[in-house]
Amino acid sequence: DGGITQSPKYLFRKEGQNVTLSCEQNLNHDAMYWYRQDPGQGLRLIYYSQIVNDFQKGDIAEGYSVSREKKESFPLTVTSAQKNPTAFYLCASSIGVGPKPQHFGDGTRLSIL
Amino acid sequence: ILNVEQSPQSLHVQEGDSTNFTCSFPSSNFYALHWYRWETAKSPEALFVMTLNGDEKKKGRISATLNTKEGYSYLYIKGSQPEDSATYLCAFGGANNLFFGTGTRLTVIP
Repeated sequence: DGGITQSPKYLFRKEGQNVTLSCEQNLNHDAMYWYRQDPGQGLRLIYYSQIVNDFQKGDIAEGYSVSREKKESFPLTVTSAQKNPTAFYLCASSIGVGPKPQHFGDGTRLSIL
Repeated sequence: ILNVEQSPQSLHVQEGDSTNFTCSFPSSNFYALHWYRWETAKSPEALFVMTLNGDEKKKGRISATLNTKEGYSYLYIKGSQPEDSATYLCAFGGANNLFFGTGTRLTVIP
């Protein structure tokens, strides 16, 4: 079945560490997205990519980095510069730009030790 | 960052009842309005993407309407079933950036 796979499901980070969240899709979608969810808030866009080797900052990109070397993969690195990284992270993809539905993974919950 | 509001925050209905919720968004520079259903321990699932004022979409017992001039969309569920229990998200967006509301959490009591 086609879909989006996020790993790991749960992740713990020590202070000062960078961690990378994985997102892989086999839907042959061009566009991919990373969102963050905090309690009582809507999903907020961190980064998005419309095509391989290209990505753009979303509303809350500070302290995060991404890469898009392959169409199927869009990993998110939470750097030590992100002061409040504890959150639930969702990856999504869509067939292209424009008013297209987004398909989501199951998410990764990141906590600070 | 655009303000997208959903109401109510949560509601409980009896099985068989019909219900509806509201999504309010800026009425200027409209591009698209998305609805998603998010069941506990699952990933959000797309229900509708609406682009035209007056648009009505239907999927089984769920339907949605759109008023871009006044900046609101309604989601209706006819004859609610326990499997409809979920958080319903709306998102207002441009070509690349979606702004999500906080969702309406629906619980259908058998």
